[in-house]
Amino acid sequence: DTGVSQDPRHKITKRGQNVTFRCDPISEHNRLYWYRQTLGQGPEFLTYFQNEAQLEKSRLLSDRFSAERPKGSFSTLEIQRTEQGDSAMYLCASSLGLYNEQFFGPGTRLTVL
Amino acid sequence: KNEVEQSPQNLTAQEGEFITINCSYSVGISALHWLQQHPGGGIVSLFMLSSGKKKHGRLIATINIQEKHSSLHITASHPRDSAVYICAVSSGGGADGLTFGKGTHLIIQP
Repeated sequence: DTGVSQDPRHKITKRGQNVTFRCDPISEHNRLYWYRQTLGQGPEFLTYFQNEAQLEKSRLLSDRFSAERPKGSFSTLEIQRTEQGDSAMYLCASSLGLYNEQFFGPGTRLTVL
Repeated sequence: KNEVEQSPQNLTAQEGEFITINCSYSVGISALHWLQQHPGGGIVSLFMLSSGKKKHGRLIATINIQEKHSSLHITASHPRDSAVYICAVSSGGGADGLTFGKGTHLIIQP
């Protein structure tokens, strides 16, 4: 399968713990996006990369959140000192260049107890 | 910040009916996307359009840039069309993270 993949698919953690999610985009796609979706709501933009450069960050991305794309391929999203309000589906998408269709991964569902 | 409003929020229809979902946005965009999300989270891109009309099988998407409005139509609806349909816009200008509507939950009954 050559689509966008995310790992893990589900993560349950206790409040205060750190978690890290991984996204592998479609191989030739230079743009990678992270979104967050809470129950019953549409996704919300968190951040995006063009190659290894992080070009935009939403104000939703507090200091506890950090994202990297070190070699311009896969990306990681880390949440430090998780809070119950961080419980959500974290979606990754990739695209080839600006103004092109975004392809979404299956998401990582985070539950913070 | 662009605001994206969808209507209706929920829609239940009988198999075979013609379905229309509406989307309006508040400021200029570079493109509008229609997405489909099934239970479990997976999102599939249906259309990306910046003007006019696009058709793919039984799905049709239209956009009116002047009125800042788009519609998604489903002809001859089928129970497998049951899903959440989400409208999203990219504002361009180098900031192309999408802004999403809340989605329309569609149920097609046999």
